[in-house]
Amino acid sequence: DTEVTQTPKHLVMGMTNKKSLKCEQHMGHRAMYWYKQKAKKPPELMFVYSYEKLSINESVPSRFSPECPNSSLLNLHLHALQPEDSALYLCASSQDRVSGGEKLFFGSGTQLSVL
Amino acid sequence: AQSVTQLGSHVSVSEGALVLLRCNYSSSVPPYLFWYVQYPNQGLQLLLKYTTGATLVKGINGFEAEFKKSETSFHLTKPSAHMSDAAEYFCAVSLLGDMRFGAGTRLTVKP
Repeated sequence: DTEVTQTPKHLVMGMTNKKSLKCEQHMGHRAMYWYKQKAKKPPELMFVYSYEKLSINESVPSRFSPECPNSSLLNLHLHALQPEDSALYLCASSQDRVSGGEKLFFGSGTQLSVL
Repeated sequence: AQSVTQLGSHVSVSEGALVLLRCNYSSSVPPYLFWYVQYPNQGLQLLLKYTTGATLVKGINGFEAEFKKSETSFHLTKPSAHMSDAAEYFCAVSLLGDMRFGAGTRLTVKP
């Protein structure tokens, strides 16, 4: 299994809603990532988990709250989002992050629209 | 910090023509370099990567790239474009697991 599975594929939410994005991999990878990608832009790193511990937070607003309950799962909890947060949210994983040369395996993303 | 610059936000070629997508990097130490492809509403798929060793790297779908330290470049090429190659291509650089992407190049293939 070389897949990173993200659910849901599409999400529409209001600014007062609370929702969660989910990401799962069963490749035994110990590093997992959240990226945000606006239309016609490159992915921007949001968070990195390494061995289930948050190792990078790229100054992301607190309305985005990541969680790594175990080595296979990564969640992104959303609360009080703004319309400008509408984007494709990509999850990725790699064997680890220390080596640096490991490729990232990407999920297909969750297309989020905030109304 | 490491970074990459992709020259040309849009490249258009005819089917069967050479594909050349340009990428230059900036890094204080020898970097790891990657090319990813993204189709509409999809995640990113790795085409190829350079870590160490041979500077000419072959990837999937007939793509290859050459690491040139003297030019700080990692350009992506394919001898003959196919209609299915139309997509967004991202060059990326990684240092200690922190991967940063270039702005992307949209490749259009004309029949």
